[in-house]
Amino acid sequence: SYELTQPPSVSVSPGQTASITCSGDKLGDKFASWYQQKPGQSPVLVIYRHTKRPSGIPERFSGSKSGNTATLTISGTQAMDEADYYCQTWDSNTLIFGGGTQLTVL
Amino acid sequence: EVQLVESGGGLVQPGGSLRLSCVVSGFTFSSYEMNWVRQAPGKGLEWVSYISSTGRTIYYADSVKGRFTLSRDNTKDSLFLQMNSLRAEDTAVYYCAREGGTSRYMDVWGKGTTVTVSS
Repeated sequence: SYELTQPPSVSVSPGQTASITCSGDKLGDKFASWYQQKPGQSPVLVIYRHTKRPSGIPERFSGSKSGNTATLTISGTQAMDEADYYCQTWDSNTLIFGGGTQLTVL
Repeated sequence: EVQLVESGGGLVQPGGSLRLSCVVSGFTFSSYEMNWVRQAPGKGLEWVSYISSTGRTIYYADSVKGRFTLSRDNTKDSLFLQMNSLRAEDTAVYYCAREGGTSRYMDVWGKGTTVTVSS
């Protein structure tokens, strides 16, 4: 079955830039989306179609894609950004999530 | 305000059944494709099922195919997930989520309902 690969964890200091990668063959021709999930809360869409930011999502969140890798970048990371982040795409009729990345701001 | 509210979760024995509901408000339900996504305790997100806006097209993850049935009632702004032959590995928080567009992303999520399968 098709998989998306994310690093299990990423650490960043407050005010610095955090980058979370998501790799998968299908990302070459399929859009990636990114979700933020804080403990005990539902996921929130932060990026769609590789680079689009929904209304209400801070400008410090951005997305990009190069080849088969999508990247979520958080510029000027704040303590409130500490959360799990999931990438997502689709293959045939199936939606696929990456395993998730725990972002720690310390 | 756009809202998705799930209900119907609970404790059920292995082999039992549950019916989850998702009632929506704040948007034209009949215009949107919908999904169920679940999250086992301490684990990541797992897509469960998809239904088109009309209800004519439905897809399932292999892990639930043949056991779960997804349906919708556009007159009642409601989505339903009938879960039969439940297994311990179905234990999870089940989220109802709206698809935002043609790129298969989910732009609105409910708060989830918890399903526990245990004897």
